[in-house]
Amino acid sequence: QVQLQESGPGLVKPSETLSLTCTVSGGSIRSYYWNWIRQPPGKGLEWIGYIHHSGRTEYNPSLKSRVTTSVDTSKNQFSLKLSAVTAADTAVYYCAKWEESIKAFDIWGQGTMVTVSA
Amino acid sequence: EIVLTQSPGTLSLSPGERATLSCRASQSVSSTYLVWYQQKPGQAPRLLIYGASSRATGIPDRFSGSGSGTDFTLTISRLEPEDFAVYYCQRYGGGGSSSLTFGGGTKVEIK
Repeated sequence: QVQLQESGPGLVKPSETLSLTCTVSGGSIRSYYWNWIRQPPGKGLEWIGYIHHSGRTEYNPSLKSRVTTSVDTSKNQFSLKLSAVTAADTAVYYCAKWEESIKAFDIWGQGTMVTVSA
Repeated sequence: EIVLTQSPGTLSLSPGERATLSCRASQSVSSTYLVWYQQKPGQAPRLLIYGASSRATGIPDRFSGSGSGTDFTLTISRLEPEDFAVYYCQRYGGGGSSSLTFGGGTKVEIK
């Protein structure tokens, strides 16, 4: 059973770059589409984007100019970078696996809280 | 961009009662790409329903999904104590699209 675990700094300064990593265990990253989703405190879910092991990516148009994702197949990890962050980027960030056969996110990480503050 | 509007925002019910949650799309959505998730406080969302009406693995049959076009419904036939949570619908544009959105959520709380 695939499991996901997010890691990265819990505090980022305004205008800096948020960097998170998701480690995939129990399965190979050389399959599926790997996603980032965030949730501001007390609010709903927002899809950030996905990366496939082939390097193919798609991003939420509202965040596209600030988002970069990458995959490290040797470590079974994928990563998110979000540049020029503001307080509005404060959220719980989740990584999630997209299961193409059912067109849904079937496995999620536990989430990691990132606060943007000086 | 297709917007998903969930109603009501909050549903106050007692255990054993039936819950009916609505997800309305601003334009027609393929049922193939309509999904429901459950989220409890401090936890990640959990997949409940995919393809508008198919239950995910391990989901009890008291949960059912229905609908087509612009109107979709999640029904919980008899609420159990563990069902009090927030529920989100989600749609994907398909074909490698960059369009994937969530509804605002419906909170099912104990009356």
